[in-house]
Amino acid sequence: GENVEQHPSTLSVQEGDSAVIKCTYSDSASNYFPWYKQELGKGPQLIIDIRSNVGEKKDQRIAVTLNKTAKHFSLHITETQPEDSAVYFCAASAGGTSYGKLTFGQGTILTVHP
Amino acid sequence: DGGITQSPKYLFRKEGQNVTLSCEQNLNHDAMYWYRQDPGQGLRLIYYSQIVNDFQKGDIAEGYSVSREKKESFPLTVTSAQKNPTAFYLCASSITGAYDQPQHFGDGTRLSIL
Repeated sequence: GENVEQHPSTLSVQEGDSAVIKCTYSDSASNYFPWYKQELGKGPQLIIDIRSNVGEKKDQRIAVTLNKTAKHFSLHITETQPEDSAVYFCAASAGGTSYGKLTFGQGTILTVHP
Repeated sequence: DGGITQSPKYLFRKEGQNVTLSCEQNLNHDAMYWYRQDPGQGLRLIYYSQIVNDFQKGDIAEGYSVSREKKESFPLTVTSAQKNPTAFYLCASSITGAYDQPQHFGDGTRLSIL
């Protein structure tokens, strides 16, 4: 089955700096890659997703890049703000399966210091 | 407002007891999911349902049961057979069960053993 590895497990940055979180996946059939942000005591919230026919996608300060050959994808947050502090999860899903089974990474705790 | 409501927010179980976690959605989504989240780990799929009156086991279904009698409701029962039930339980839904449909999460139920 699919395995998703996420690094780093914790990331600390100063306000205004950029933050990068990386994930690798094992199943070459995976072709949908969402990123979720989880605040304390809340459920995960989808912040951006990418499909395998696209190499990069941006939404304001957030971008995701995908390298299908190397089987890795990354989340980039620019001009970080204290409210970006949260746990971020990557996930992968394979087309051709009968349902939307997401395999999640272990999560990255991002702390943005004012 | 449309969304996913999980109740209760906190739940305590005695040894040998079954408990049921509620999940209701008013998004008119066909597919619903239950995940378990343990500290420092990603989310793991317990059960999923693509449509009313149908559900399938996920990766860690042992000790759990579900029903899907109504489109908007997908309750999860944690049975006494689940030996390590202490965790954060998250319910999600998506428009369909297709692999690339974004999943929307509730705010979870935290289950603890007395």
